[in-house]
Amino acid sequence: GMPVEQNPPALSLYEGADSGLRCNFSTTMKSVQWFQQNHRGRLITLFYLAQGTKENGRLKSTFNSKERYSTLHIKDAQLEDSGTYFCAAATSSGQKLVFGQGTILKVYL
Amino acid sequence: EAAVTQSPRNKVAVTGGKVTLSCNQTNNHNNMYWYRQDTGHGLRLIHYSYGAGSTEKGDIPDGYKASRPSQENFSLILELATPSQTSVYFCASGGDRGLDAEQFFGPGTRLTVL
Repeated sequence: GMPVEQNPPALSLYEGADSGLRCNFSTTMKSVQWFQQNHRGRLITLFYLAQGTKENGRLKSTFNSKERYSTLHIKDAQLEDSGTYFCAAATSSGQKLVFGQGTILKVYL
Repeated sequence: EAAVTQSPRNKVAVTGGKVTLSCNQTNNHNNMYWYRQDTGHGLRLIHYSYGAGSTEKGDIPDGYKASRPSQENFSLILELATPSQTSVYFCASGGDRGLDAEQFFGPGTRLTVL
């Protein structure tokens, strides 16, 4: 299977809603990054985690290397959160960064 | 302001022609990377570099060469461009811990090969 499986592929939220994205890894990963790709195609780094949980405003991310997953939680979704979200993980050798297929998020009024 | 910049931002090339995509970073990072993004594939690593003078093959290096003449600059070279290389190309720079380090991305180059 895919080394990084990202779910859901697409997500629609009303403004103000909370939701989460998840990446499952087929093998132990050393670290994970989460990106937002905006409507202009620009990749914006949201989080880099080697372990544990980080928060930044309405966003929170968790990385559990042992359980082979990472999550990105969006609280109180806003219109500007719309875009495509990617997780990318570094393999245990540290020699390869593998991206998930992305989650297309649309936030509605 | 530290940044990763790419040029050109858009490029139309003909099949068989040579294309050079350039990347410059002011993050003072040792590591730099080239990816391509196609619909349904996310981002895939083409080449990367651990410092000036070094280049390493990524997951999909066929048809591409890379050049790292300095800390700041990393180029991706398509010697004989093909339509299958039509894509959006992203450059990134990262820290000193190889691919385990946080990466910062440029704005992308949209390449169309006719």
